[in-house]
Amino acid sequence: QKEVEQDPGPLSVPEGAIVSLNCTYSNSAFQYFMWYRQYSRKGPELLMYTYSSGNKEDGRFTAQVDKSSKYISLFIRDSQPSDSATYLCAMSAAGGTSYGKLTFGQGTILTVHP
Amino acid sequence: NAGVTQTPKFQVLKTGQSMTLQCAQDMNHNSMYWYRQDPGMGLRLIYYSASEGTTDKGEVPNGYNVSRLNKREFSLRLESAAPSQTSVYFCATSGVTDTQYFGPGTRLTVL
Repeated sequence: QKEVEQDPGPLSVPEGAIVSLNCTYSNSAFQYFMWYRQYSRKGPELLMYTYSSGNKEDGRFTAQVDKSSKYISLFIRDSQPSDSATYLCAMSAAGGTSYGKLTFGQGTILTVHP
Repeated sequence: NAGVTQTPKFQVLKTGQSMTLQCAQDMNHNSMYWYRQDPGMGLRLIYYSASEGTTDKGEVPNGYNVSRLNKREFSLRLESAAPSQTSVYFCATSGVTDTQYFGPGTRLTVL
């Protein structure tokens, strides 16, 4: 079993839809949670960063972390065609030899069609 | 301010050839990483360098070597390329938090 599981999709939605992207994980030591967006033939770019449980909002994007369920989500409101990309979740444990090392999900391919 | 740069962008090798992928950053970050990305496999860590002068193996280090030349530069070497090393290679850096910043990638094909 992988430490981080992410449904690879693909996910296709109409413009304006609310998109929900999810990851589950098994390592209870994970404390830092990130979402990256990767456009085709480009490097991943950091989208959201959260520490421990709770919600974080940035414009149309909301990241949620539920450590009790080992489950994280990214919501995209009013989705746009420019949101079409692969979304990767990533997480890390705090301190020790794992400091700075991220464990990634497989990525979910999202297409928003006009 | 270029962030993280990688050279070359594309490369085609024959089996058994060697090559070095270069990565440079101007973000003054201590930690640097090399990943490979394959369809269905996500990003897998090859090697990382927590600080200048140190390197450590990641998840898939076999067939690769690295050099942390200075704080800015971290290179990845394939001594004898194999078709299984066909992939997209990303360099990344991180500073005081665990967030990593990625370069644009190198697309490598080994025939």
